Amino acid sequence: DGGITQSPKYLFRKEGQNVTLSCEQNLNHDAMYWYRQDPGQGLRLIYYSQIVNDFQKGDIAEGYSVSREKKESFPLTVTSAQKNPTAFYLCASSIWTSGRGSSSYNEQFFGPGTRLTVL
Amino acid sequence: RKEVEQDPGPFNVPEGATVAFNCTYSNSASQSFFWYRQDCRKEPKLLMSVYSSGNEDGRFTAQLNRASQYISLLIRDSKLSDSATYLCMTGNQFYFGTGTSLTVIP
Repeated sequence: DGGITQSPKYLFRKEGQNVTLSCEQNLNHDAMYWYRQDPGQGLRLIYYSQIVNDFQKGDIAEGYSVSREKKESFPLTVTSAQKNPTAFYLCASSIWTSGRGSSSYNEQFFGPGTRLTVL
Repeated sequence: RKEVEQDPGPFNVPEGATVAFNCTYSNSASQSFFWYRQDCRKEPKLLMSVYSSGNEDGRFTAQLNRASQYISLLIRDSKLSDSATYLCMTGNQFYFGTGTSLTVIP
């Protein structure tokens, strides 16, 4: 079955530790995205990647880092510099995008998410 | 001003009712819009895409009003299974609203 997987489903981290969230897709999509959702809030864009070896900052990139070494994978690292990391993290992919603000409009499809709690 | 704004609700409607949600956007350059459905503690799932004036899929109708910069979602003949939070998104700007909560009551 084609889809997007995220692991783990739940993650607990101690303050001061870095942690990496996994996102894999087998949809052959070029573009991938990371969002954060806080209770009662909409999704906010952290980073997105249009193509392998390329990524762009979103609205709340501080304290996060990403890599895109393979088309299928877009891992997100939450660093100790992120002040309020407890949240629901959602990865998404789309066929392609020309970038934020461009005229492209491909639907984004989401993985099941990872709930990160900092203890 | 937020890029995308939605009435958070909650909307509580009886089964069989028609309900409509609005979503306003601030960037006139926004060209595409999506409605997602999100169940509690789950990921958003794509419900409808809106590229031009509107779109219809069964009981669901989405309308776009570019002059007033809003999109709407109309649900006819509400089912219990429609209970969820509905998120709107500007497709080429990657901004989401905070969602509108719908509960359909038996």
